[in-house]
Order: sequence, then C-alpha cells, then structure tokens
Amino acid sequence: GENVEQHPSTLSVQEGDSAVIKCTYSDSASNYFPWYKQELGKRPQLIIDIRSNVGEKKDQRIAVTLNKTAKHFSLHITETQPEDSAVYFCAPKRRGSGGGADGLTFGKGTHLIIQP
Amino acid sequence: ETGVTQSPTHLIKTRGQQVTLRCSSQSGHNTVSWYQQALGQGPQFIFQYYREEENGRGNFPPRFSGLQFPNYSSELNVNALELDDSALYLCASSKDRADTIYFGEGSWLTVV
Repeated sequence: GENVEQHPSTLSVQEGDSAVIKCTYSDSASNYFPWYKQELGKRPQLIIDIRSNVGEKKDQRIAVTLNKTAKHFSLHITETQPEDSAVYFCAPKRRGSGGGADGLTFGKGTHLIIQP
Repeated sequence: ETGVTQSPTHLIKTRGQQVTLRCSSQSGHNTVSWYQQALGQGPQFIFQYYREEENGRGNFPPRFSGLQFPNYSSELNVNALELDDSALYLCASSKDRADTIYFGEGSWLTVV
C-alpha cells in the first residue's frame, strides 16, 4: 500500500510569513494529490489539489507543487493569517486497480500555528 | 458547507454492541466513501459505494459493512464494537467516483 509522510509535524510561523509543508509518497501510480485543512472538531476541507500532469497550481495565497520523479508534493501558504491555524493533511490517491476504487491515503498531519 | 449530512453527531456505545451511522450525500452525487479518523491521526479509508454497490475497500475487517440506497444515501454498520473503534467517522461524497470528495461533519463514536 501507499506510504505517506508529512513534514514537519508541527510548524510555527509569524503572521505574514510563508509556510511550506512537504508530503512524500511511495506509490508511483498515484495520480491525484490534494491537501485538506482541518480545524479542531471540524471536517477536513479540501483547499487545493493537483493532478499528475501538472507541476504547479495556485489559488490566491495557496499553492501546490508536485515533483513526480522524487515522489513528493508541497503546500505553500503565503502571507499567513491567524485563520490559517489548523491541521493540514496531504492525501495522495492512486488510480484504482481491477475496477475497484482506492481511497485517499492521508498523512499524519501538520499542525500549523500562526503566531500573532 | 458541503451538503453532506451525517447522523448522529455524537454517540456512546458499549463494547460488543452494534452501531449504524447514516450519511446523505450532496445533491447530484452518486458516490459515497467512509473514513475513520482516530484522535490525532489522519482519516483512514474504510470503503466506497457507487450506485449501491461496494466499489473499493480499505484495510478494515468484515465487521465494518455498509449500504447505499437508491437515493445515494448510505449507512455504515459496525458490529461487535471494540474500544479501538472510538473515532470520528467521516462520510464523503462525489459524482461518478471522482477523485475530489467532500466531507460531512462526521459522527463521533465513543466505545466504553
């Protein structure tokens, strides 16, 4: 199965600075790479995703970059704000084999703390 | 809001009992997947239902079972509850087994 690692496990940055979280995966068949944000006691919320035929995608202050050769993708948040404080999960997914679906494989999460 | 609703929001069960959790998918979505999220961990894929049939399954024992109904709502059933089953159970929906899924708020299950 897929092995997913996120680094760092905790990241503390000053408000206004940038944050970068890296996700490493093992399955070269993975072709979909989302990032989810989860606030305490809430549902995971999709914030950005990218597919294997694209190297980078940006949405306002959030961007994702993908390196398929090295099997990692990263979340970049610029101009961080207090409301960015949350746990962030990467969740790569491989194309299902044998007609069945494979679900998302979540990392253990990165706790992002924005210091005022 | 994703339009995915789950019930109940919280429940407490005793070890050995059975539990049923329910999920209504977002309008227009015919695919439902279930995830288990233990405290401090990422969600783990349990299974997916597409057009009323199980379409994929994660590494969970057979006592975790499910159903999908003609209106695409879904149930997760867990038999012979164990203490380790205590977790947040998340339902997510999508259209036509799309990769992009949208989660409901989840059902918190405590097994004592």
